[in-house]
Amino acid sequence: DIQMTQSPSSLSASVGDRVTITCRASQSINIYLNWYQQKAGKAPNLLIFAASSLLSGVPSRFSGSGSGTDFTLTISSLQPEDFATYYCQQSYSYPSTFGQGTKLEI
Amino acid sequence: VQLQESGPGLVQPSGTLSLTCAVSGGSISTSNWWSWVRQPPGKGLEWIGEIYHSGTTNYNPSLKSRITISVHKSKNQFSLKLSSVTAADTAIYYCARVFYPGGAFDIWGQGTMVIVSS
Repeated sequence: DIQMTQSPSSLSASVGDRVTITCRASQSINIYLNWYQQKAGKAPNLLIFAASSLLSGVPSRFSGSGSGTDFTLTISSLQPEDFATYYCQQSYSYPSTFGQGTKLEI
Repeated sequence: VQLQESGPGLVQPSGTLSLTCAVSGGSISTSNWWSWVRQPPGKGLEWIGEIYHSGTTNYNPSLKSRITISVHKSKNQFSLKLSSVTAADTAIYYCARVFYPGGAFDIWGQGTMVIVSS
């Protein structure tokens, strides 16, 4: 299985901050990397697919980059509703696997 | 398209967990795969498996010996059966649509909590 490692595991930030979350794959996954936001008690929501494609309706302050093994999710200016847990997921090969999550806290 | 999971919230150890995902607002017989993902309390996400409307499946090898995912086209539903459950199978179970190209999960059900306990 491809291991996905996110860093940091948790992050404290303030409204208006620029935040970057990193996801590293244990082998190359091309651009088959997706990012999700999960709020407490809710299902995950897809933000970015194929490493850098923003899902329709997702605010433009979210962006993704990377290819191969190293990827980043950036939130350019944190809003109160962005405080949540973020997961990366590789869809390059079976079984699909997720990172352990990054909890973004105020 | 909306997804809704249903099934028992409590399953006996060594029993079989059975869940159904109802697809509304669209047909299950589109060019999409349909997946199950679970999340133990306070932990991360684990992909369980997926099915195409033809009945073709892909399973997580870690669970493969215990999983059956089926599609029920006439009801616009798909289902999950997980046998020989233990406390380690206690989790929120989500159904999700797989978005291609890319293989992301673009639509999720709200999730259903299943507790394995006697």
